[in-house]
Amino acid sequence: AQRVTQPEKLLSVFKGAPVELKCNYSYSGSPELFWYVQYSRQRLQLLLRHISRESIKGFTADLNKGETSFHLKKPFAQEEDSAMYYCALGDGNKLVFGAGTILRVKS
Amino acid sequence: DVKVTQSSRYLVKRTGEKVFLECVQDMDHENMFWYRQDPGLGLRLIYFSYDVKMKEKGDIPEGYSVSREKKERFSLILESASTNQTSMYLCASSPQTVRNSPLHFGNGTRLTVT
Repeated sequence: AQRVTQPEKLLSVFKGAPVELKCNYSYSGSPELFWYVQYSRQRLQLLLRHISRESIKGFTADLNKGETSFHLKKPFAQEEDSAMYYCALGDGNKLVFGAGTILRVKS
Repeated sequence: DVKVTQSSRYLVKRTGEKVFLECVQDMDHENMFWYRQDPGLGLRLIYFSYDVKMKEKGDIPEGYSVSREKKERFSLILESASTNQTSMYLCASSPQTVRNSPLHFGNGTRLTVT
């Protein structure tokens, strides 16, 4: 069955420190993976998707099929990065989401 | 810019009531979705629809039904609300398969069942 695992409920880092939000997936076909973000009092929105191979707000994520991972990384965290982050797997017409990780960036 | 509007931001209902959550999108999207968002569980798909009058069960459809009579509107119905349905409900839409386009979410409806 398709599954997305985000092992950390909360990740707390200091401003300027590197960030890595972990995501592992289980999928039998060729995966389509996304990161969504929800800032305080805002709607859930797409941050990036692996097919675009882009950097958004300094974040990148690389699909590692061997390790079935799609970790989200940023070299230097900023306070405005504090939010809830969800990893998601595309399955036909729908998305399967992980449990989410709260990122807190402390000053 | 795509807009997905959920009619209520907060709702408080009593156990056993029939509850309607409404969602409207203004971009002629084919796909619409209802998720519930719970701490520690993430987003779980309740139902989705890929066309008018078409619907498919998601991962947790029990206790819910949906209606899509018009392309722009997707309603979630709690036939007889129970306290375990207290949650944040998110509606989303997309123009085609997720491989080609991301989901656009509404602001959510926080439902409390007492």
